[in-house]
Amino acid sequence: DTEVTQTPKHLVMGMTNKKSLKCEQHMGHRAMYWYKQKAKKPPELMFVYSYEKLSINESVPSRFSPECPNSSLLNLHLHALQPEDSALYLCASSQVNSPEAFFGQGTRLTVV
Amino acid sequence: GENVEQHPSTLSVQEGDSAVIKCTYSDSASNYFPWYKQELGKRPQLIIDIRSNVGEKKDQRIAVTLNKTAKHFSLHITETQPEDSAVYFCAALMDSNYQLIWGAGTKLIIKP
Repeated sequence: DTEVTQTPKHLVMGMTNKKSLKCEQHMGHRAMYWYKQKAKKPPELMFVYSYEKLSINESVPSRFSPECPNSSLLNLHLHALQPEDSALYLCASSQVNSPEAFFGQGTRLTVV
Repeated sequence: GENVEQHPSTLSVQEGDSAVIKCTYSDSASNYFPWYKQELGKRPQLIIDIRSNVGEKKDQRIAVTLNKTAKHFSLHITETQPEDSAVYFCAALMDSNYQLIWGAGTKLIIKP
């Protein structure tokens, strides 16, 4: 299995809602990532988990809360988002200290 | 901070012709340079990469060249086909924190 699976594919949420994005991989990778991608821009790193521990937080606002319950799963909890947070949210995984990351298909998030 | 510059931002070529996309990087310690292809509405996919111990790498119609002295690397696509139409991102691995710095992307349009 060489897939990184993200759910849901699309999400529309209000500014007062709480929602979660989910990511799963079964490649035995112990590094997992959240990226945010705005239209016509490259992916922007948000968080990195290594061995299920948060290793990098790129100064992301606290309305985004990551969680890594086990080595195969990665969640991104969303609360009180702003319309400018609308974007494609990409999950990726890799071997630890390997730059060769595999991306999921992404969740297209719209905040209204 | 470290950065990667990518040119051109848009490239339109006739089907069957070659396409070249160029990137320059600032971190002289970078030693890994991947290229990602992202079709509209899809995930970035790694198409080729090169490490600093080689100057060129080929995979069928795709090749990447690296000039470490000048700190630039290029993607070459020969015999372009309609399915090559996409946005292409270059990236360089930062030695300090082992994270990728991405170029701004090139939209490649293949004209039939």
